[in-house]
Amino acid sequence: QSALTQPPSASASPGQSVTISCTGTSSDFGAYNYVSWYQQHPGKAPKLIIYEVNKRPSGVPDRFSGSKSGNTASLTVSGLQAEDEADYYCSSNAGSNNVLFGGGTKLTVL
Amino acid sequence: QVQLVESGGGVVQPGRSLRLSCVASGLTFRNYGMHWVRQAPGKGLEWVAIIWYDGSNKYYADSVKGRFTISKDNSKNTLYLQMDSLRVEDTAMYFCTTSRGSSWYKDHWGQGTLVTVSS
Repeated sequence: QSALTQPPSASASPGQSVTISCTGTSSDFGAYNYVSWYQQHPGKAPKLIIYEVNKRPSGVPDRFSGSKSGNTASLTVSGLQAEDEADYYCSSNAGSNNVLFGGGTKLTVL
Repeated sequence: QVQLVESGGGVVQPGRSLRLSCVASGLTFRNYGMHWVRQAPGKGLEWVAIIWYDGSNKYYADSVKGRFTISKDNSKNTLYLQMDSLRVEDTAMYFCTTSRGSSWYKDHWGQGTLVTVSS
């Protein structure tokens, strides 16, 4: 199985919203809502921001939201702030005892 | 709070072995499945392996199957990754993470340990 497909870059101005897509095949996502998203600042470990498509861990602002339609998952960041500038990775476990990551999207806050 | 601390990285020649460790604190380690995830310099994340909370099941990425072995010692709160027959393409930062639920999401990450495979 290949990696999930994400756009390499995205950008928006402070206060605006941006959506990052994550595309796979039906076998990559399966019939499960097993999509998670991770934020990684330069030189730091990744941080979980969304799990099971649209659930937020405690402490993650509600500006971050997730969704999934068919074979595409999406991460939306609303009310962009400077500290949101980071790399974002989607991930899926399609119940096949394998984990896929997307190639990552570099989000720039203009 | 949960803390995961990796160690054991370094520079190693192709074909040699290395064992990584990840010491966990702030959680009941024996109740957690664990992953290893790696990131080559300037590249994206790549899943390496998972082990069940009790060590009963282990799964690997195709790229490391047959060369890497994941294990955990619940009495020592420690996760391991034995890496044999190392290749240049195994050069990466290696992160240990917790594994949660059926979806295997990774809610806690260590800071990583760098493995460089070079002659």
